[in-house]
Amino acid sequence: AQTVTQSQPEMSVQEAETVTLSCTYDTSESDYYLFWYKQPPSRQMILVIRQEAYKQQNATENRFSVNFQKAAKSFSLKISDSQLGDAAMYFCARRGGGSARQLTFGSGTQLTVLP
Amino acid sequence: GAVVSQHPSWVICKSGTSVKIECRSLDFQATTMFWYRQFPKQSLMLMATSNEGSKATYEQGVEKDKFLINHASLTLSTLTVTSAHPEDSSFYICSASIWVRGAYEQYFGPGTRLTVT
Repeated sequence: AQTVTQSQPEMSVQEAETVTLSCTYDTSESDYYLFWYKQPPSRQMILVIRQEAYKQQNATENRFSVNFQKAAKSFSLKISDSQLGDAAMYFCARRGGGSARQLTFGSGTQLTVLP
Repeated sequence: GAVVSQHPSWVICKSGTSVKIECRSLDFQATTMFWYRQFPKQSLMLMATSNEGSKATYEQGVEKDKFLINHASLTLSTLTVTSAHPEDSSFYICSASIWVRGAYEQYFGPGTRLTVT
């Protein structure tokens, strides 16, 4: 089974500080995509960031960036200058390459932002 | 862009009745949509993949006769929970697949909370 593992069920960060959420995955494919989704209390899933496996450069979206270590099959999310609105459940997800469209999700990390 | 809506946002039904949930892509066409189920404080569990104009593909363990999926147009997929029972109470989320900047991404609806009494 090609799994996605998030080993931190809960994390907390002080407002304005930086936090890193961990994710590891298992795959036999060389072509795949990785995502981080955010699910706030409203339960609306929101795409945060995407990383293509063939790209060596780490993806960045404003205060969100990833550390993609392909050989180690690791894909962590760094949130800089944390804001109260960042409080949410964060899910790491993997999608196969080519025409594959299904996502495999991790179990999630609940992030609390402390004022 | 890439907005997905779901209707209703919540529904309460009696045991034994059927309930239909709609998933619409509002500003794009989606040949592929997905249906997930989520229990409190848990991850999303894929139930089925819905392809426009063809039969849905169900994940192992999901009863296709209980969870009927119809993807009749490029902007609408429906999930019908037939003969609902209390154990079907859950949060159901749909998503639509769209080609964005060279790859497929999934955009999610806001979810439907189903309570079966």
